[in-house]
Amino acid sequence: GAGVSQSPSNKVTEKGKDVELRCDPISGHTALYWYRQSLGQGLEFLIYFQGNSAPDKSGLPSDRFSAERTGGSVSTLTIQRTQQEDSAVYLCASRPDPLSYNEQFFGPGTRLTVL
Amino acid sequence: GQQLNQSPQSMFIQEGEDVSMNCTSSSIFNTWLWYKQDPGEGPVLLIALYKAGELTSNGRLTAQFGITRKDSFLNISASIPSDVGIYFCAGQLDNAGNMLTFGGGTRLMVKP
Repeated sequence: GAGVSQSPSNKVTEKGKDVELRCDPISGHTALYWYRQSLGQGLEFLIYFQGNSAPDKSGLPSDRFSAERTGGSVSTLTIQRTQQEDSAVYLCASRPDPLSYNEQFFGPGTRLTVL
Repeated sequence: GQQLNQSPQSMFIQEGEDVSMNCTSSSIFNTWLWYKQDPGEGPVLLIALYKAGELTSNGRLTAQFGITRKDSFLNISASIPSDVGIYFCAGQLDNAGNMLTFGGGTRLMVKP
């Protein structure tokens, strides 16, 4: 497809389990972002990838959260030992080139529920 | 993390009414953006503002970048049913990553 895709669309897990969330950015976009949206809240920045540079992890809430981006394309957000407060919608966005064009294009998100 | 103060949190609209919402921040931003989010989807950019004092329109939408660079408003004129959804303001700094700081959102609903 032409847009950012994310999988799964919904994930229900038990407290303490690990989860992996996937993002397929728009082809050719060099920048990729992960955000978290808690119920009724705005989006909270988590992590940013740009090309081959080291990612900006300044928004990750704890060391249980990690992300990688393979081959400059697909990204996986991993949450280890999930807690109930991790329940949220996790949104991925990609961007053509941060230096020349500002718009971030968002995927539909993955709704994570931790029981 | 830091969020922008967005108000109102929710409002009911009747078709044809004009709608206003605004965002304020204690920090300066170099770019202000307004997004709309429909259920089950990611936010979609409506308007981007790049200069303090700038007033920009996109159809029935008008947004302004406050002169202090710490606030912005969005107006929707002559609202229609498909305007319902959640509207977010976002501020952006011109740093390496251009990460966005979001407001808490304004939920637009239709009056019964």
